[in-house]
Amino acid sequence: AQTVTQSQPEMSVQEAETVTLSCTYDTSESNYYLFWYKQPPSRQMILVIRQEAYKQQNATENRFSVNFQKAAKSFSLKISDSQLGDTAMYFCAFSHGSSNTGKLIFGQGTTLQVKP
Amino acid sequence: GAGVSQSPRYKVTKRGQDVALRCDPISGHVSLYWYRQALGQGPEFLTYFNYEAQQDKSGLPNDRFSAERPEGSISTLTIQRTEQRDSAMYRCASSLVESTGELFFGEGSRLTVL
Repeated sequence: AQTVTQSQPEMSVQEAETVTLSCTYDTSESNYYLFWYKQPPSRQMILVIRQEAYKQQNATENRFSVNFQKAAKSFSLKISDSQLGDTAMYFCAFSHGSSNTGKLIFGQGTTLQVKP
Repeated sequence: GAGVSQSPRYKVTKRGQDVALRCDPISGHVSLYWYRQALGQGPEFLTYFNYEAQQDKSGLPNDRFSAERPEGSISTLTIQRTEQRDSAMYRCASSLVESTGELFFGEGSRLTVL
């Protein structure tokens, strides 16, 4: 069975600095998707970034980028120039690539506090 | 609508009562998903639909839980004979097609069973 592990329950970073959130996963499949979702205090769930496993190039969305290491089954999120609005819980998620890709397996989450 | 809408936002019920949670997905979205999220945890998959067809219900905890999407749009998640362990945030999400994996989540329905 697929599992997603986030080993950092809580992290903090100073405003304008860079922070990296870790995520590892376990699967025997070669085709899959990986995601980072953000859950701010409002409790909304917002997609931050997505990575297809068959793509070697790391995904980037503005200040958010990932370091996807397929062999190591690692998928970390880097937030550059951290802003107060980045304060949230961040969830790493995995889905199968062949079908039902909306059936996500989430990690336990990392709470990120951006300090002024 | 502009986003995924869920109702009620908050529901407090007594143990043993039935509850129905409603989800109105983004217009035109084919796939609709139900997740359950305990406090401080990541969401857990419950079930999903493509149009009106329930494709996967492997995440439903037991037969007290059921879901339907009769006309391929609005969906209802029903929990019969609620128990305290059912207390959680129930989240609905939709996606334009099945294959992208990009979900748009609603704000959730917070269920508290006393």
